[in-house]
Amino acid sequence: GQQLNQSPQSMFIQEGEDVSMNCTSSSIFNTWLWYKQDPGEGPVLLIALYKAGELTSNGRLTAQFGITRKDSFLNISASIPSDVGIYFCAGFYTGTASKLTFGTGTRLQVTL
Amino acid sequence: EAEVAQSPRYKITEKSQAVAFWCDPISGHATLYWYRQILGQGPELLVQFQDESVVDDSQLPKDRFSAERLKGVDSTLKIQPAELGDSAMYLCASKTLETQYFGPGTRLLVL
Repeated sequence: GQQLNQSPQSMFIQEGEDVSMNCTSSSIFNTWLWYKQDPGEGPVLLIALYKAGELTSNGRLTAQFGITRKDSFLNISASIPSDVGIYFCAGFYTGTASKLTFGTGTRLQVTL
Repeated sequence: EAEVAQSPRYKITEKSQAVAFWCDPISGHATLYWYRQILGQGPELLVQFQDESVVDDSQLPKDRFSAERLKGVDSTLKIQPAELGDSAMYLCASKTLETQYFGPGTRLLVL
C-alpha cells in the first residue's frame, strides 16, 4: 500500500535550535496532517493542511503543503525540552479518501 | 475543546483472557477508527466505522478481535482470547471533513 517517507528518522538538537522535517509521497495527497506523540499517549494534531502551497503556523510550528501535493514539511523554531517526542506526518490521498496514511515518524530529542 | 475519550487507559491481562476497550468519539463525528500501535511504529488501522456500519475491517484479526458501534456513537473493541503478541497501544480516532483526532489510547499488556 501507499507509504510516506519521513525524514529524518531521528534527530538530536540543542535547545533553542530550529528543526525541520519532511514527508514525501509517490501519490498526490488531498490533506496533510502533522501529529506529535508523547510516550504512552495518543497522537495530538498539530497542524492540518488542505490546499497545495498552503503555509500554516501554530505558535512555533510552521508547516507547508507542497505545490506538487506529494510532500510536506514541518518546522519548529527555537526548540524547547517539551518538544521531545515523535512527530508523524499523515495524509489522505485520492486513492483512499477516508483512510489516513502515516509517515514513519521522526523522533526528536533535545539536549539542554 | 471536544476530545476523543478512551477507557481504560491501561490494562494488564493474562493470555487467553478477554479484554474490551471503549471509545467515545467527538460529538457529531460519523467516522470512527480503531488502530493498533506497536512501540516505535506508526498506528496500524484495525477497523473503520461510518456511523454504525463497518467500512473497512480488512486488517482486523477476526478470529479473536471484534468491534461494534451499535448506535453509531461510542464503540467497543474486544479481544478474546488475548495473546502475548497483542501487547500494544490501542488508539481510537474520529474524523470530521479532512481532519482526524486521536484519543489518549489504551496501553495493553498481555502476560
